Amino acid sequence: KNQVEQSPQSLIILEGKNCTLQCNYTVSPFSNLRWYKQDTGRGPVSLTIMTFSENTKSNGRYTATLDADTKQSSLHITASQLSDSASYICVVSAGGYALNFGKGTSLLVTP
Amino acid sequence: NAGVMQNPRHLVRRRGQEARLRCSPMKGHSHVYWYRQLPEEGLKFMVYLQKENIIDESGMPKERFSAEFPKEGPSILRIQQVVRGDSAAYFCASSPMRGGTDTEAFFGQGTRLTVV
Repeated sequence: KNQVEQSPQSLIILEGKNCTLQCNYTVSPFSNLRWYKQDTGRGPVSLTIMTFSENTKSNGRYTATLDADTKQSSLHITASQLSDSASYICVVSAGGYALNFGKGTSLLVTP
Repeated sequence: NAGVMQNPRHLVRRRGQEARLRCSPMKGHSHVYWYRQLPEEGLKFMVYLQKENIIDESGMPKERFSAEFPKEGPSILRIQQVVRGDSAAYFCASSPMRGGTDTEAFFGQGTRLTVV
């Protein structure tokens, strides 16, 4: 069964600090991995997408890494801002339209 | 270019009533996907449609749920005789082509269905 596990389930950090979110998956075959940000009451918005051959990809203060051998990915947020408070969802594709969603990590950035 | 539009944003239905959720994809997008998000759960795939065709409905409950994407107008997710367990957020996503390595699917803001 294709699964995507994220940790931690929730996280609270002070504004300005860095944090790293983890994603482990068992999806096979592997096509790509995406990180989405979902603000409360909104739809998910894509942050990064990585294929098998990509190890790291950045989008501003967000940096995603991928280790396809160990089937792990991380999302690192630098110099957090209050607006980073959201749920971060790891999504792994086996190809085509089949997307496997993790349950997300709920991040709260406090002043 | 407006994003994926879903309406209504919030819908309250009594048990046994019908719920109709609408999704207008982004301009130029001909592929629509419906997902359901239960409380404390990740998004779960329900159905994939192209104009006038259901491509994959493997995630749809066998009864009471149906979806369509007519030649003209929005995609509709229809839930008949709703029960409390149908309460969830329903998200629609659209893409310009069938999902692949680089295809981006854009999500709407969701419809939150509450069954009372």
